[in-house]
Order: sequence, then structure tokens, then C-alpha cells
Amino acid sequence: QKEVEQNSGPLSVPEGAIASLNCTYSDRGSQSFFWYRQYSGKSPELIMSIYSNGDKEDGRFTAQLNKASQYVSLLIRDSQPSDSATYLCAVTHGSSNTGKLIFGQGTTLQVKP
Amino acid sequence: KAGVTQTPRYLIKTRGQQVTLSCSPISGHRSVSWYQQTPGQGLQFLFEYFSETQRNKGNFPGRFSGRQFSNSRSEMNVSTLELGDSALYLCASSLGSNTGELFFGEGSRLTVL
Repeated sequence: QKEVEQNSGPLSVPEGAIASLNCTYSDRGSQSFFWYRQYSGKSPELIMSIYSNGDKEDGRFTAQLNKASQYVSLLIRDSQPSDSATYLCAVTHGSSNTGKLIFGQGTTLQVKP
Repeated sequence: KAGVTQTPRYLIKTRGQQVTLSCSPISGHRSVSWYQQTPGQGLQFLFEYFSETQRNKGNFPGRFSGRQFSNSRSEMNVSTLELGDSALYLCASSLGSNTGELFFGEGSRLTVL
């Protein structure tokens, strides 16, 4: 079992729809969770971090965390073609909160005009 | 504010050679992490440095090494290169000692022939 699992996609949604990206992790000790976006040929950029159970909203993005189910999700409302990218879920290694992150393989999102 | 700067951006080496990659973090950031990204394995953690000390190390052979200088700049070295070392090597910096909120550089793309 991989430590962080994501559906590789591609996930295709029409412009203006809600895109839902999901991630599960295996280490119950993980305390911090992140979503990074990576455009083709570019480096990853942090778009959301979440540390406690529940929802965290930032503009069109909402991160959801359920530690009991070891599940993290990212919702993108009013999806735009510019949101087309690979979305990487990352969790901290164990209970430490350092730069050592375990990344999923990423979900490719395609937003069709 | 300048971002994370990595040099060189592209390089080609042959098997058995060694390579040194350089990373200058965002001004004020004291933590530097290195990741290897390949199509098959995704993003994998190499090591992390904070205040010139290696805090974490990933599951890579001893051929991979790194260091951090007093000005927070970091280098990583790969000796006795193998074909499988061909990858994008990403450096990321973070503000504090206790965060997984990483800012990535553009990466150094290494091709081993």
C-alpha cells in the first residue's frame, strides 16, 4: 500500500463546475496535510494547508480533512481552464512537522471550456 | 522578493560521473529540502537541512549527499551517477523549522547518459 494515494485521473470537468480531488494516507500519526498544484513543466506550488479536522476555505478552494478516515480532499469551485494542472496531495512524515513530506502521485485535472 | 533559485537548470552527465546542484532559498528561509521527481516514482524526499544541520534523510543511497551553508544556501551532490538518477531535482525552502509549507525552485533537470 502506498503511503499517500490519489486517483491519477485525468479528472475532466466542464468550466464552472466543481472539481473534487481525493487523497488517502496510511500513517495515522501524520498531522499536517497539503495540496500542491503543478502545471506541466513547472514546479509545485502550495495552494492549501490543513491541520485539523473539518473544512478550510480559501477563495474557490476548500480543503477537507478527516483524520479518522485518513482522508483529505480538495474542492475547486467554479473551475476555470487555468485550473488545469496536476494536484499533489502531501502529508508530513509521522507526527513531525518538517519539510519531509510524503507526496501522492498526483491527480491530473482537465477543465474544459 | 526573489524565489528559490536553483542552478544549473539543465545538465547532462555520463554514468560514473558526479554532479553538484545548488540552491539559494528565499531570503529569510532557513530550512531547505531536496526532492527528486520522476514520472514513475513521483516526488520523493531526499533530505532536509535547517541551520546547517541535516534534520531528515530519505531512502536514497549514500551516493546522494548534501550540505547547507551558514547563509542557508544548500548544495546536493550525487556521485557515481547511474542512468536511474535521471530526474528533476527540486529544492524547496520554508520559513521556519516546523513547517511543511514549502516553496519550490524551478528545479535542476539531470540527464544521465
